[in-house]
Amino acid sequence: IQMTQSPSAMSASVGDRVTITCRASQDISGFLTWFQQKPGKVPKRLIYAASSLQSEVPSRFSGSGSGTEFTLTISSLQPEDLATYYCVQHHTYPFTFGGGTKVEIK
Amino acid sequence: EVQLLESGGGLVQPGGSLRLSCAASGFTFSDHAMNWVRQAPGKGLEWVSAITSLDSSTFYTDSVKGRFTISRDNSKSTLYLQMKNLKAEDTAVYYCVKGQWLDPPWGQGTRVTVSS
Repeated sequence: IQMTQSPSAMSASVGDRVTITCRASQDISGFLTWFQQKPGKVPKRLIYAASSLQSEVPSRFSGSGSGTEFTLTISSLQPEDLATYYCVQHHTYPFTFGGGTKVEIK
Repeated sequence: EVQLLESGGGLVQPGGSLRLSCAASGFTFSDHAMNWVRQAPGKGLEWVSAITSLDSSTFYTDSVKGRFTISRDNSKSTLYLQMKNLKAEDTAVYYCVKGQWLDPPWGQGTRVTVSS
């Protein structure tokens, strides 16, 4: 299953609403997880099962979608959200990650 | 507290072998599928391999099939990745990850460098 993530990079201002999309090449139901990786750090799970917020993750992060199209939304971008974001499907082996979206702060 | 501690990385020549280990604690290891995920320098995340909990079925990404072998020792709560015929493109930080849902927390990873 191919995971196509867009955009590959973006720049936004503090307070902006940011949307990242992940498309699967076939139906993966809700088996989609989003990770955040800050520079030099270990990846951190933000959203699992497409829309469930990981505990202790700020509520400005949300996920939606099912089937083949999924979205990660940051409702109000903060300086600490500078990171690369990855989606991953775990519906079918081999699991596959999207290519990543690098989010920069203007 | 869940902890995953990877070890065994290092510098190896092309064609060489390494065995990675992941010591798990803070959860019932035998109840969970386990994965290896890697990240090449400056690149994205790549899922490498998984082993299930019930019957130790194994799965691999195409690029490592026939060269890597994942295994587990439930009595030691330890996950392994035997890597053979290593190539330059296997250079990466390798993370051990718990569960089919790639649960947190991840370990700090172990670095593998394949170079002559």
